[in-house]
Amino acid sequence: AQSVTQLDSQVPVFEEAPVELRCNYSSSVSVYLFWYVQYPNQGLQLLLKYLSGSTLVKGINGFEAEFNKSQTSFHLRKPSVHISDTAEYFCAVSDGGGSNYKLTFGKGTLLTVNP
Amino acid sequence: DGGITQSPKYLFRKEGQNVTLSCEQNLNHDAMYWYRQDPGQGLRLIYYSQIVNDFQKGDIAEGYSVSREKKESFPLTVTSAQKNPTAFYLCASRQAIYGYTFGSGTRLTVV
Repeated sequence: AQSVTQLDSQVPVFEEAPVELRCNYSSSVSVYLFWYVQYPNQGLQLLLKYLSGSTLVKGINGFEAEFNKSQTSFHLRKPSVHISDTAEYFCAVSDGGGSNYKLTFGKGTLLTVNP
Repeated sequence: DGGITQSPKYLFRKEGQNVTLSCEQNLNHDAMYWYRQDPGQGLRLIYYSQIVNDFQKGDIAEGYSVSREKKESFPLTVTSAQKNPTAFYLCASRQAIYGYTFGSGTRLTVV
């Protein structure tokens, strides 16, 4: 069985500061990893994904994440945040060896960007 | 534009009543999913379907039912057996391994 742990439930930062949202996963097989963003009362939007290849993945809105297999981590980073980045962020893992590609989500990290 | 449409956006249910949440996609995706979202709990899988006329239970299927009679549609019924149905419900579809496409959700409240 696979699982995802988002280490911080809330992360407050000031505008233009860097931010890192932490995600660790556990799985017995190879995995695909995703970060999604959710604005209030909306669905989830894909920020970026790791399927294979380069461990540094770049996504939309200036976000990037690094896959670290030895530490089973997939932390999300942005060098300078904006007020508009305030949202909830979800890390998710999919079983790359399975046939149904179910996504297992972490519990989310609420990023609040203050002026 | 292709996408997933969930309706209604807000739904109110009386005690003991069954309600059905609609999910329609025009992306021609094979697989569809229903997730439940509660504050601080992330998303939990209710049911999923890989092909028409076939579906499987997820992690929290009790008190819910689904059907998949058409590729485009995957409605979710919240039955009276679901004792705590108040939540945000998200439908998603997937064609390949490249992540899911989500609808905008239905917020269900018991009154």
